[in-house]
Amino acid sequence: KQEVTQIPAALSVPEGENLVLNCSFTDSAIYNLQWFRQDPGKGLTSLLLIQSSQREQTSGRLNASLDKSSGRSTLYIAASQPGDSATYLCAPGRGAQKLVFGQGTRLTINP
Amino acid sequence: GAVVSQHPSWVICKSGTSVKIECRSLDFQATTMFWYRQFPKQSLMLMATSNEGSKATYEQGVEKDKFLINHASLTLSTLTVTSAHPEDSSFYICSARGTGPEAFFGQGTRLTVV
Repeated sequence: KQEVTQIPAALSVPEGENLVLNCSFTDSAIYNLQWFRQDPGKGLTSLLLIQSSQREQTSGRLNASLDKSSGRSTLYIAASQPGDSATYLCAPGRGAQKLVFGQGTRLTINP
Repeated sequence: GAVVSQHPSWVICKSGTSVKIECRSLDFQATTMFWYRQFPKQSLMLMATSNEGSKATYEQGVEKDKFLINHASLTLSTLTVTSAHPEDSSFYICSARGTGPEAFFGQGTRLTVV
């Protein structure tokens, strides 16, 4: 059974800082891993999807890495902005099977 | 990215009544749809997985007779909460996946049972 842990649970930093969010998972037999953000009272917005054959994926100020063998992924956010404040969730996946979510990291960027 | 529309975004109903939540994939065909429930400040809990034209697969502990899921077409799935009670109050989110690996989520529905 896949278990996902995200560290830290909450993070508060001043605007402009670069930061790293961590995700670890117990079953490394995954096909891909997706990072999402969730704003309060809203659904999930897909940020990045990394295939198991990839090491990194970039979108704008976001960079996600995946080390499948060690069961770890990181989300790097460069030059953070107040609009980045949200809960960030990672979810490893296996093809058409269900995604398993961690508890998320609640990020607050202070102006 | 692809768009998943969930409706309504919030609903208040009386205890004992039934509520239907719709989830539509607007610009792709969703071969698989997922329904999640989320409690305040907690992560998403998968309730069931549905494939178009077949019965939904429910997670352990989820009452299939209480949470009716229909996936009648490749663009629409519905979740009906039957005989709702206050403990069913929660945030319900649907997700859809097409032929690719990426999953897309609806905006969520806040259900309050009074």
